Amino acid sequence: EAGVVQSPRYKIIEKKQPVAFWCNPISGHNTLYWYLQNLGQGPELLIRYENEEAVDDSQLPKDRFSAERLKGVDSTLKIQPAELGDSAVYLCASSDRTGGNTIYFGEGSWLTVV
Amino acid sequence: QKEVEQDPGPLSVPEGAIVSLNCTYSNSAFQYFMWYRQYSRKGPELLMYTYSSGNKEDGRFTAQVDKSSKYISLFIRDSQPSDSATYLCAMSNYGQNFVFGPGTRLSVLP
Repeated sequence: EAGVVQSPRYKIIEKKQPVAFWCNPISGHNTLYWYLQNLGQGPELLIRYENEEAVDDSQLPKDRFSAERLKGVDSTLKIQPAELGDSAVYLCASSDRTGGNTIYFGEGSWLTVV
Repeated sequence: QKEVEQDPGPLSVPEGAIVSLNCTYSNSAFQYFMWYRQYSRKGPELLMYTYSSGNKEDGRFTAQVDKSSKYISLFIRDSQPSDSATYLCAMSNYGQNFVFGPGTRLSVLP
């Protein structure tokens, strides 16, 4: 069974440019998460989806960040415009609450803003 | 005070040593406890999952949860250089978000 797939793995952009990250969760997982991980820190939740509904986006900086989950499967996280402080790893994760209360991560999208 | 605290590390041990990694937390509602291993430039990989208090063993790894003390531990026996990674504890309550510790970086020296 395929795991959580993210793309791109690495991205370098200039500040003020837009960037988008894509995530395909594990098949059948109805809960999808976007986490931000800074160097030397643990993942911090940006947004959580239950199917296509964003049930917790309280930590998403809505002035520059947006996310969507079309048809309750794939998801896209966008930053526009990017700032230097956005350099971090953006992790997508998914879970199937009926199969246990844990989550599975993708390999992450590593963003560098210069 | 952060919701989940973890030994800061980094931790260096010789090959074959027993490693103890620990986390404390403040939210008594947490019922699900996990340990993730994260290699450099990789996403976190689930190692151990425990519900409520008690011990769980899987090969060289043992997870312990003491809810009365709000304290969880991961023990690694016969540590190997391939165990060198950052270890993240995580916890949640059903239907709620997962909260992660900052991670402990472990180096196992051959």
